Amino acid sequence: NAGVTQTPKFQVLKTGQSMTLQCAQDMNHNSMYWYRQDPGMGLRLIYYSASEGTTDKGEVPNGYNVSRLNKREFSLRLESAAPSQTSVYFCASKLDRGLYQPQHFGDGTRLSIL
Amino acid sequence: AQSVTQLDSQVPVFEEAPVELRCNYSSSVSVYLFWYVQYPNQGLQLLLKYLSGSTLVKGINGFEAEFNKSQTSFHLRKPSVHISDTAEYFCAVSENSGYALNFGKGTSLLVTP
Repeated sequence: NAGVTQTPKFQVLKTGQSMTLQCAQDMNHNSMYWYRQDPGMGLRLIYYSASEGTTDKGEVPNGYNVSRLNKREFSLRLESAAPSQTSVYFCASKLDRGLYQPQHFGDGTRLSIL
Repeated sequence: AQSVTQLDSQVPVFEEAPVELRCNYSSSVSVYLFWYVQYPNQGLQLLLKYLSGSTLVKGINGFEAEFNKSQTSFHLRKPSVHISDTAEYFCAVSENSGYALNFGKGTSLLVTP
């Protein structure tokens, strides 16, 4: 059981380039999330999808777009990458919106923008 | 919105010593709390969670946490740490909407021989 799978694991981009980070979960979860992790900042929510067909902004959505392709997949797109978006990006999922439900995380995508 | 404060950014400790990682949250009518661990170059793994009931919660790898409503705290403890416990530890609280978790900034636990 793979859980939450993120691709790619590492990526280097030049300023202005675009790319899409992929995330897939095989746990039949309804809710999915994208976070970024920066030193000393903890995890900050970029976007989330409470259920298939819906997406909502989190704490730091500027410069990003998302697509909930189906129940399994939730992608994060950087249209025009900026050095400030250098970070480690984590995708997570949970069964539903229940307050008691824990989130399950992927191993992250380490993104550097030059 | 619920918020979480982790009071220590780094905690150095010797192997086999006890450790406590501190977490305080903003008060609410009901609260659901989590501790996650992140080993180097990995994602976050759930250590334990408090939903209701007993205030002492046991998790994986010998960790436990105590929910204290009057002090709005959820401190993580282990009586004897190992080198392999070296990692980043995050405290988190469920948002009232149920959709998101609010994370603390993390505590880096460094265990040395």
